[in-house]
Amino acid sequence: DAKTTQPTSMDCAEGRAANLPCNHSTISGNEYVYWYRQIHSQGPQYIIHGLKNNETNEMASLIITEDRKSSTLILPHATLRDTAVYYCIVRVAIQTSGSRLTFGEGTQLTVNP
Amino acid sequence: NAGVTQTPKFQVLKTGQSMTLQCAQDMNHEYMSWYRQDPGMGLRLIHYSVGAGITDQGEVPNGYNVSRSTTEDFPLRLLSAAPSQTSVYFCASSYRVGQPQHFGDGTRLSIL
Repeated sequence: DAKTTQPTSMDCAEGRAANLPCNHSTISGNEYVYWYRQIHSQGPQYIIHGLKNNETNEMASLIITEDRKSSTLILPHATLRDTAVYYCIVRVAIQTSGSRLTFGEGTQLTVNP
Repeated sequence: NAGVTQTPKFQVLKTGQSMTLQCAQDMNHEYMSWYRQDPGMGLRLIHYSVGAGITDQGEVPNGYNVSRSTTEDFPLRLLSAAPSQTSVYFCASSYRVGQPQHFGDGTRLSIL
């Protein structure tokens, strides 16, 4: 799996958009970008994933650059409940062996009132 | 639709005791897995299953057993608890291997 680099922490005002960047310059052609988050004392939660096109779901949007070396997770209207550690993970979608998720340090997003 | 349910939420054991951590999912997912999360270590895969009757080892399987007699349930057994197994344990499932995983809320286990 390709290595990812994320800022250690970010702050966002409630109601504003939160833009979380992720660098993955060594990404391979068959690797997807996944985002998970972990709210304190809860299990990780899947947010969104994509290959090369921008993706949107009910939780967030994922913008992947044309060269696929970086991406941005966008929470359009952050709430206090979005305060969590956000993990960017790059991996192939279908794996033949144990589908291990390798979580790095992630970004601690704090949404302030 | 409850998702992934783990029980118990908290447990304290003495060294040498055995216990079973329960995990159940109601999404008809083929793939289920167990992770442990320690401070500064991230998630580490213990065991996984790609379907009923099929299990395999992850990266840290020693001291743990699993079975998958039904699609819904994937219990994790600690054979003889050791202080090094103090951790938070997460169960996860996905429709198929490699698909986005859904996690339970974890079992916080302390071994004295």
